[in-house]
Amino acid sequence: GENVEQHPSTLSVQEGDSAVIKCTYSDSASNYFPWYKQELGKGPQLIIDIRSNVGEKKDQRIAVTLNKTAKHFSLHITETQPEDSAVYFCAASEAAGNKLTFGGGTRVLVKP
Amino acid sequence: NAGVTQTPKFRVLKTGQSMTLLCAQDMNHEYMYWYRQDPGMGLRLIHYSVGEGTTAKGEVPDGYNVSRLKKQNFLLGLESAAPSQTSVYFCASSYSGRGVRETQYFGPGTRLLVL
Repeated sequence: GENVEQHPSTLSVQEGDSAVIKCTYSDSASNYFPWYKQELGKGPQLIIDIRSNVGEKKDQRIAVTLNKTAKHFSLHITETQPEDSAVYFCAASEAAGNKLTFGGGTRVLVKP
Repeated sequence: NAGVTQTPKFRVLKTGQSMTLLCAQDMNHEYMYWYRQDPGMGLRLIHYSVGEGTTAKGEVPDGYNVSRLKKQNFLLGLESAAPSQTSVYFCASSYSGRGVRETQYFGPGTRLLVL
């Protein structure tokens, strides 16, 4: 089955700096890669996703890049703000069906 | 719309007791999922359903059973709880498993402690 590795497990950045989280996946058949943000005591919420026919996608301060050849994808947050502090999860979905395999999560702390 | 709701929010069980977690969604989604979240391990899929009356096993199904008698509800049962089932359980739903309608929406979670 699919295996998703996520790094780093914790990330501390100064407000205004950029944050980068990287994930690798094992199944070349995976074609859907969402990123979720989880705030304390809440369920994960989708913030951005990318499909295997696209190399990069951007939504305001958030961008995701995908390298299918190397089987890795990354989340980039620019101009970080204190409200960006949360746990972020990457995931990959099998080509058939919609079973997400999640990475282990990255706890991001934005220091004011 | 309430989205995805979960009942209860928190529960303490003794080893060997049984319980049922309820998930409800009001978005008319076809697919529903149960995940468990443990520290440092992300979310792992327990069981899922691709429509009313269907269920299938995920990555970690042992010790759990599910039922999808109504499209809007997905029940997760623990017949004989074990301490290893102490976790936070999340339910999610999506329109389908393909294309742009596959985004999964998560509930707020149920925190379960098995003593």
